[in-house]
Parts: sequence; C-alpha cells; structure tokens
Amino acid sequence: NAGVTQTPKFQVLKTGQSMTLQCAQDMNHNSMYWYRQDPGMGLRLIYYSASEGTTDKGEVPNGYNVSRLNKREFSLRLESAAPSQTSVYFCASSGAGPVGYGYTFGSGTRLTVV
Amino acid sequence: EDQVTQSPEALRLQEGESSSLNCSYTVSGLRGLFWYRQDPGKGPEFLFTLYSAGEEKEKERLKATLTKKESFLHITAPKPEDSATYLCAVQAGTYKYIFGTGTRLKVLA
Repeated sequence: NAGVTQTPKFQVLKTGQSMTLQCAQDMNHNSMYWYRQDPGMGLRLIYYSASEGTTDKGEVPNGYNVSRLNKREFSLRLESAAPSQTSVYFCASSGAGPVGYGYTFGSGTRLTVV
Repeated sequence: EDQVTQSPEALRLQEGESSSLNCSYTVSGLRGLFWYRQDPGKGPEFLFTLYSAGEEKEKERLKATLTKKESFLHITAPKPEDSATYLCAVQAGTYKYIFGTGTRLKVLA
C-alpha cells in the first residue's frame, strides 16, 4: 500500500545512547517532516525537508539531526538520547508544498528513554 | 501568538447522537485549516482542508465548517467506528503548522 513507512515501531534507549529513526514514502512527495507527539500537547515539528537536498529546523530541533537521503527517505537521529525525548515520533510527507495539501503520516515510533 | 484550542477534550456519544467538535484559532495570516482523525497507535489521517470563512466540506457523516475565528466538525448520526481522536491544525506559514491537542471521541453502541 502506498504511504509512509517508519521503522522501528517501538524502541527503548538508555540515556546517552544514539539511534536513527527511518522514514520512507512512495508517493513521490517533495516535502517530508518529523513531528513528536506528547500527552497534552499538539504535534510539534522537529525538522522538515521542503525538497530533496534541503532541511530546516522546526519548533523543537534541539537534540536531533536529520538527513534527506533521497526523495523517498528522511531519517531522524538522536545523538545522545535524554529522558525528555521520550515521545511518539511521526514522519509525514506532502505533495508540491504544504499549502492546502494534507499530510500523509506514518504509523509512528514509540520511543522510551530510561 | 498563534494558537489553536480544541474543545471539548473528550466526548462520549450514543450511537446516532449528533454533535459538534470545536477548533478555535488565533493566527496571523491563515493559509488553511486542516482536520485529521487519529486512531490509537496510528498516525493522523487527513480529512479536510478549509481555506476561507464560510467554506464547508463533507465526508460521510462528517462536515467541517470555518469562520474567521473557529472551525466546527459536525458528526451526524455517529457510529462506533467514528470513535477516534480528531485533530485540528492551522497553517500559519509556508511550513508552519500549529496543531491542537485534539478531541477524543467515543461513540457507544
């Protein structure tokens, strides 16, 4: 099925460990995004890539890095995980610019940092 | 400050009992207002985009409306399968979306 695929679905890290969340879309979308979702808070943008070869910070970028590997893939890296990064992470993509285009979201990665 | 507030936080309805969810927003330069549905353990699923006051969109039992200060998601004769969290988001810039915290809807058979 066409859509956005995220891996892994669940992960437990120890404080200070690193990991990379993977995201791939097969809809030929230009723009891709990483969000985090925490209880009682709306989805918050971590980083986005407007098009292949570009990345920009969102609302909460500290502690994260991203790579737009090609048009399909956009990864999120935690270099040194902290308990405050415990969250559910969603990757999303959209067509030619986000104006008027709803996002297609992946199913999420539930990350716990202990 | 750009802001999105959804109410109520949670809503329980009997099957067939129509109701409305509210999304109030303050944003300078609204580019679009979006509604999503999110099922437990899944990512949000796009429902509607509204651009200007007075606009309405419909999909099955759902109807979204927009004014200059708020949007409503009307649910007519809901079924248990409509149970989900409904998220509202406003686009305040080219890549600036502000999401609300959602309304958790439970429809009882």
